[in-house]
Amino acid sequence: GAVVSQHPSRVICKSGTSVKIECRSLDFQATTMFWYRQFPKQSLMLMATSNEGSKATYEQGVEKDKFLINHASLTLSTLTVTSAHPEDSSFYICSAREGRGLIGEKLFFGSGTQLSVL
Amino acid sequence: QQQVKQSPQSLIVQKGGIPIINCAYENTAFDYFPWYQQFPGKGPALLIAIRPDVSEKKEGRFTISFNKSAKQFSLHIMDSQPGDSATYFCAASRAGGYQKVTFGTGTKLQVIP
Repeated sequence: GAVVSQHPSRVICKSGTSVKIECRSLDFQATTMFWYRQFPKQSLMLMATSNEGSKATYEQGVEKDKFLINHASLTLSTLTVTSAHPEDSSFYICSAREGRGLIGEKLFFGSGTQLSVL
Repeated sequence: QQQVKQSPQSLIVQKGGIPIINCAYENTAFDYFPWYQQFPGKGPALLIAIRPDVSEKKEGRFTISFNKSAKQFSLHIMDSQPGDSATYFCAASRAGGYQKVTFGTGTKLQVIP
């Protein structure tokens, strides 16, 4: 099946620093990628939808300047948490959907990134 | 209109039992209903999915039952095993590459040996 690779799997950083998370579709072209945030024992909260070559669409309440998303190619999207603070600590998950309909509506998820901000 | 309600929040069954997880949706425009399985510290993985033109779909030990008129669907796990212990999320979306997926709140399943 389709594989989505997400790195790093875990990152610990100091408050005020920026952290970049990469999401790559390894064997398909992902026209659309989604970024989620998940708190312990809770569901996935969609943060933004990223389409290749265009600006990301953010969900209500998600700060665009805080969570920078870049989808520069059909296989790579990045999420940068800028000036991270302890409240940004969370599990971040990306997902990708192949855009030409060959894999249909199936959404493939990365393995997630656990961010801990000290 | 975008909610997907999922129950129960947690479920404990013995090995061999048949856990059932239920979901209900409101938006009649949804036409794709996947179930995801998530292990701790990992991203969700697609388990099985159904379109509203069928009332049941089976893949191995996993079965989705779909009731379009009631706007409800459920996941049944036959002959459950300890390795099935995970959190299960139902979801709903409209078909198409740009459509967002709305997730249920999740059900933590524990299968006791």
